[in-house]
Amino acid sequence: SAVISQKPSRDICQRGTSLTIQCQVDSQVTMMFWYRQQPGQSLTLIATANQGSEATYESGFVIDKFPISRPNLTFSTLTVSNMSPEDSSIYLCSVTGGPYEQYFGPGTRLTVT
Amino acid sequence: GIQVEQSPPDLILQEGANSTLRCNFSDSVNNLQWFHQNPWGQLINLFYIPSGTKQNGRLSATTVATERYSLLYISSSQTTDSGVYFCAVVKKTSGSRLTFGEGTQLTVNP
Repeated sequence: SAVISQKPSRDICQRGTSLTIQCQVDSQVTMMFWYRQQPGQSLTLIATANQGSEATYESGFVIDKFPISRPNLTFSTLTVSNMSPEDSSIYLCSVTGGPYEQYFGPGTRLTVT
Repeated sequence: GIQVEQSPPDLILQEGANSTLRCNFSDSVNNLQWFHQNPWGQLINLFYIPSGTKQNGRLSATTVATERYSLLYISSSQTTDSGVYFCAVVKKTSGSRLTFGEGTQLTVNP
């Protein structure tokens, strides 16, 4: 299984600002995923990030709000832009460790005031 | 998209009790995983089980792919088992994208 780290682990931000979340994996992986978990809710996929190509966003998520970078096979960033209190969530990255099995990072707990 | 339904939504047990959590899904899947989310938000992989039966200590899981459901068994529950249990699937035609159920909130009282 892959070892995944995320930075920051938590942050409190003011509305209107942006936060960039980093995801680092200990091995090279083709696909990385970003999920959001709003308070008391399940996880929802934001986008899939492949190295060397544009991220693929799910319905309801747009690149202007959640720009993603994937500069190499072990690293990705997710930016939450122009934040509002509704963006308060846990943001998690994941990778595939086999054909389909996924492993998750520890998450970034974001609070927007 | 694929629908994933988990039951029960909430479960309260006394320490030492056994329980069964259920996950129904609406389409054929390449992947089914069970996760435990601890109080700190960390998602812990319990089982990768698109079909068949697996056991790991006090936990076991069974997926009947032809009938589109999976069961997670917890025996001799402990207070550390408390948290949210999620079932998540990858639909056969959707690459590697995981779709999560709404989860089962388990509370184990001493």
